[in-house]
Amino acid sequence: SQQGEEDPQALSIQEGENATMNCSYKTSINNLQWYRQNSGRGLVHLILIRSNEREKHSGRLRVTLDTSKKSSSLLITASRAADTASYFCATPGGTSYGKLTFGQGTILTVHP
Amino acid sequence: GAGVSQSPRYKVAKRGQDVALRCDPISGHVSLFWYQQALGQGPEFLTYFQNEAQLDKSGLPSDRFFAERPEGSVSTLKIQRTQQEDSAVYLCASSYQETQYFGPGTRLLVL
Repeated sequence: SQQGEEDPQALSIQEGENATMNCSYKTSINNLQWYRQNSGRGLVHLILIRSNEREKHSGRLRVTLDTSKKSSSLLITASRAADTASYFCATPGGTSYGKLTFGQGTILTVHP
Repeated sequence: GAGVSQSPRYKVAKRGQDVALRCDPISGHVSLFWYQQALGQGPEFLTYFQNEAQLDKSGLPSDRFFAERPEGSVSTLKIQRTQQEDSAVYLCASSYQETQYFGPGTRLLVL
């Protein structure tokens, strides 16, 4: 079973626009991670935000976390065609060793 | 350094055949995970190793699935008597702390 749910399921934008993806989860967490997956590079870790953080930046990525609403968002600014991929949020699966539970993902298409 | 590697990248099996999927984790990573990813879905946890010890196999879908990591490095996921519903991408990941580093996956197609 999957804990996270991403919204929207698919997003299509033009190069240069911003893309926002949302993730909701069900149980209490101590961190949330975002991963990107495309055919060229497989599943790649993007960013981790801890439960005591509300916002985190990494390059063109901005992640927010609202633990009261059990939700997170990923913003990609000034998108590029190379950002075309599936984006997944992942939460710890209730273990001490880091097992991850992934959402279904958002498919992002950036048109040149 | 080298990332996680998996082989084969693609495997076509006839229903009923046994398959073995290999994972070479990042050197020194204690933790190793296997996930199964169906088409259009996110990865789902199969099993976890800490060094050579398999500490969690709660995600293995049936007793036809077996994983091992005998020397605490390379791991093999074996599927016996494959069924069509086993068709998926099998991902291996190793980790040092919270971040998991994924291999490219093995795409298994059972005909």
